[in-house]
Amino acid sequence: DAGITQSPRHKVTETGTPVTLRCHQTENHRYMYWYRQDPGHGLRLIHYSYGVKDTDKGEVSDGYSVSRSKTEDFLLTLESATSSQTSVYFCAISERVSAEAFFGQGTRLTVV
Amino acid sequence: QQPVQSPQAVILREGEDAVINCSSSKALYSVHWYRQKHGEAPVFLMILLKGGEQKGHDKISASFNEKKQQSSLYLTASQLSYSGTYFCGTESTWSGTASKLTFGTGTRLQVTL
Repeated sequence: DAGITQSPRHKVTETGTPVTLRCHQTENHRYMYWYRQDPGHGLRLIHYSYGVKDTDKGEVSDGYSVSRSKTEDFLLTLESATSSQTSVYFCAISERVSAEAFFGQGTRLTVV
Repeated sequence: QQPVQSPQAVILREGEDAVINCSSSKALYSVHWYRQKHGEAPVFLMILLKGGEQKGHDKISASFNEKKQQSSLYLTASQLSYSGTYFCGTESTWSGTASKLTFGTGTRLQVTL
């Protein structure tokens, strides 16, 4: 199995508080992605990274920011959490363009 | 923009065949297929590249029509283990650096006895 770890696995937070989710990989893969999964919407891309300090927006980036200061870590931050951000968040990694993506186990985030 | 998958859901009896379709409004460089079991992470099945051949994985195969920006996943003689949600992922024409892997809304497949 690919070495990819998400933390925390579960989190409950209050509306208006900042939240940071972490994705850590041991594969030295160049590409890293953050998705959210909601019923009826499938997997939607939030942000992705194609190298250290190289990131770009996905389809649903509003309210989210990311940082990648080193190859192994990709952080997703909700600056001020809202109930609409209650979701399951998946991180994925890929070695190169058009290669298999490996997913982390997901983080279930509940904003109350 | 997410690729569009159809059908949204399908129920099969064991041994029956199924086809899942994926289409995009953008020119595609590659199409990925993944399967997700309930409560688990998506798992890679196969990838089809522009100009590449039809792929196969046991009794699961896929095709990619570059002109129509469509892909189809074929499940033959379905087994109970095929149950899950299938996602297609697409990469639009590559700029040379970035790879934006975008997924569809998924197709829920249930195989029964």
